[in-house]
Amino acid sequence: TQLLEQSPQFLSIQEGENLTVYCNSSSVFSSLQWYRQEPGEGPVLLVTVVTGGEVKKLKRLTFQFGDARKDSSLHITAAQPGDTGLYLCAGPFSNSGYALNFGKGTSLLVTP
Amino acid sequence: SAVISQKPSRDICQRGTSLTIQCQVDSQVTMMFWYRQQPGQSLTLIATANQGSEATYESGFVIDKFPISRPNLTFSTLTVSNMSPEDSSIYLCSVDLSGSEADTQYFGPGTRLTVL
Repeated sequence: TQLLEQSPQFLSIQEGENLTVYCNSSSVFSSLQWYRQEPGEGPVLLVTVVTGGEVKKLKRLTFQFGDARKDSSLHITAAQPGDTGLYLCAGPFSNSGYALNFGKGTSLLVTP
Repeated sequence: SAVISQKPSRDICQRGTSLTIQCQVDSQVTMMFWYRQQPGQSLTLIATANQGSEATYESGFVIDKFPISRPNLTFSTLTVSNMSPEDSSIYLCSVDLSGSEADTQYFGPGTRLTVL
């Protein structure tokens, strides 16, 4: 089983603070994806990282894929209340084509 | 990207009944997936539904409990049969747009099911 471990599970911060969310596995993934899910909605894709060591930026969000393609991180700079949500990392199953294996998620609350 | 709709958006059902959830995509896609998200939990894959073949179920999920149809390249249904309170979850369909970016999936808004 390709387990994806996310940490922390819960995070409550004030507006303007920085934070980092981690996604770790003992397995190598061909790619990892990060999603954000808001209550009552389906997950929305933020980014896909494919190359070991890759860094991608999406406004105040910075995503990194580990050199060995076993881990990834999401860093948010100057968090805003609109960043509140459940952040999920996911990677493809090795034996199910493109189906995704999800981590348990990090629930982020940003208060004004 | 793809626009995905699900019906119903939510339902409250009695124990022992069945509910069929519909998933409609605005473009033709080969691979569709059904996931379950139990309260406060992450997503768990139920099955992969490719048009023209039988759905492939993950460990812990069986066709008798979760029959799936995939009649064409834009539509799929998932039925939750003989429901019990343990089936209370959000059910999500997703599609893979292989060719746009590696393993990129887009999700519907989900169907929130409560079983009494």
